[in-house]
Amino acid sequence: DTEVTQTPKHLVMGMTNKKSLKCEQHMGHRAMYWYKQKAKKPPELMFVYSYEKLSINESVPSRFSPECPNSSLLNLHLHALQPEDSALYLCASSQSGARMNTEAFFGQGTRLTVV
Amino acid sequence: SQQGEEDPQALSIQEGENATMNCSYKTSINNLQWYRQNSGRGLVHLILIRSNEREKHSGRLRVTLDTSKKSSSLLITASRAADTASYFCATPPPTDSWGKLQFGAGTQVVVTP
Repeated sequence: DTEVTQTPKHLVMGMTNKKSLKCEQHMGHRAMYWYKQKAKKPPELMFVYSYEKLSINESVPSRFSPECPNSSLLNLHLHALQPEDSALYLCASSQSGARMNTEAFFGQGTRLTVV
Repeated sequence: SQQGEEDPQALSIQEGENATMNCSYKTSINNLQWYRQNSGRGLVHLILIRSNEREKHSGRLRVTLDTSKKSSSLLITASRAADTASYFCATPPPTDSWGKLQFGAGTQVVVTP
């Protein structure tokens, strides 16, 4: 199984809502990532978890809150988002996080629209 | 900030033709990776080339790496309509920094039948 599964595929939320994005992988990868991608732009790293601990936070606003309940799951909790947060949110995993010596596997993404 | 810059930004070719895109990067690397993204979907890993390799093949894909020029190229031979996608190069950081894979701006490839 070389899949990274993200749910939901699409999400529309109001600025006062609280929602969560979910990501799951069963490849035994110990590094998991959240990326944000705006239209016609490359993905931008948000968070990295290695061995279920947050190792990188790219100065992401606190309205985005990541969580790694176990080695297979990664969540991104959303609260009080702004319309400019509308984007494709991508989850990825890799066997090794250090120096990225192996490829990353990406999910299909969650298309988020904040209204 | 972006590590890699890609050229061209967009490429339009006909089926059967070859497509070449280039990636330049700024700092030393231990590997360089190429990914494909179909419209609005996730990224798919294509090839990883290590800094001690000069060329790598995978099916119709050929990747070269020139560390002296800090550049890489991706060649797709005998293109098909299904190759229509955005292609990104990506590099890990030069230091032992966990997981900071940084993507270039991407090349948007359109293959017409």
